[in-house]
Amino acid sequence: TQMTQSPSSLSASVGDRVTITCRASQGSGYYLNWYQQKPGKPPRILIHAASTLDSGVPSRFSGGGSGTHFTLTISSLQAEDFATYYCQQTFSLPYTFGQGTRLEI
Amino acid sequence: EEQVVESGGGLVQPGGSLRLSCAASGFTFWRFWMAWVRQPPGKGLEWVANIKEDGSQMSYGDSVKGRFTISRDNAENSVYLEMNSLRAEDTAVYYCAREFFNHREASYYMDVWGKGTTVAVSS
Repeated sequence: TQMTQSPSSLSASVGDRVTITCRASQGSGYYLNWYQQKPGKPPRILIHAASTLDSGVPSRFSGGGSGTHFTLTISSLQAEDFATYYCQQTFSLPYTFGQGTRLEI
Repeated sequence: EEQVVESGGGLVQPGGSLRLSCAASGFTFWRFWMAWVRQPPGKGLEWVANIKEDGSQMSYGDSVKGRFTISRDNAENSVYLEMNSLRAEDTAVYYCAREFFNHREASYYMDVWGKGTTVAVSS
């Protein structure tokens, strides 16, 4: 299953609301995860099963969608949110990631 | 603390082989699927392979199928990635990760990641 994120990069400011989209080439149910990665660090799970925030993830993050169209929304950007975000489908093997969305100041 | 630590990366010539190791601690290793994910320099994440709790089932990404082999030793709390016929495009940071199964959601996600080990394929 090919995962396509848009946009590939995004410039925003602290306090902005941003939405990142992830589209699957085949239906993936709600088996969609979102990860955040900062330079030089491993990824961190943010959201699993399309909309469930992982433990400790701030409530300004939210996820939605099902099937082939998914979204990650950050309601009010904070300085620590500037990073690269990846979606990943775990509906069918091999599990696949999107190409990433770089969120820049 | 739940953690995984990768080792075994290095510089290898095209066509060569390398074996990566991942040592887990702080959790009951044999209860979890484990996976390898890689990231070429300046690029995105690529899921490489995973292995079932008891080692009876493995899956691979299309770009490594037939060249890479994932295995595990539950007595040693370790998972391995044997990489053969290496190519320049295999150059990447290789991450080991735990694939957690959430029973309520019936979904998998990677919740424990190592810091990665770097593989460089070059003559």
